[in-house]
Amino acid sequence: EADIYQTPRYLVIGTGKKITLECSQTMGHDKMYWYQQDPGMELHLIHYSYGVNSTEKGDLSSESTVSRIRTEHFPLTLESARPSHTSQYLCASSGQLGTYGYTFGSGTRLTVV
Amino acid sequence: QKEVEQNSGPLSVPEGAIASLNCTYSDRGSQSFFWYRQYSGKSPELIMSIYSNGDKEDGRFTAQLNKASQYVSLLIRDSQPSDSATYLCAAPSGAGSYQLTFGKGTKLSVIP
Repeated sequence: EADIYQTPRYLVIGTGKKITLECSQTMGHDKMYWYQQDPGMELHLIHYSYGVNSTEKGDLSSESTVSRIRTEHFPLTLESARPSHTSQYLCASSGQLGTYGYTFGSGTRLTVV
Repeated sequence: QKEVEQNSGPLSVPEGAIASLNCTYSDRGSQSFFWYRQYSGKSPELIMSIYSNGDKEDGRFTAQLNKASQYVSLLIRDSQPSDSATYLCAAPSGAGSYQLTFGKGTKLSVIP
């Protein structure tokens, strides 16, 4: 049973639309991450949070924004979707990193047409 | 920027053989290392973690760590077609860091 949930699993949306990708975890982890990954390519960190009201941009520049109002919830928002945003978005969380690493959600595959 | 390097492959092995996946890291202060498996179109899942020099075995999987050489490997014995996936090596991004640095992954194909 998954402890970190992402919705929707697949999303096809038109250019210019505002979208929010949801990520929730039930493990009480204080650290959460968003990665972007194109097919067959490496993971790119786009946002992370070490706790409520704490968010930072990652290594890859992204036009998306995130919020962390509750520990368990870390949504990612695109104000105006473009075809270049087409990708897979993976959410992850961690507690004690050194022991357990990250737990990943099942991902959202976004297609902007 | 701390680095984690993997051979990109693809690595092809026949069914029943041993698959050997290799990873080097740049930060001598790294204490723990992780191997993730990612099937095509799916998210990464943790299969092994290792903290101490030497070998750690879990079923058909063995992780090997050599901190002096800054080298981590994953051996898969009796490889099965279901092992065909991309394997990601990861290490903390620095001493005390909360983040993992991932390698680019090695794609493994097990040929029946």
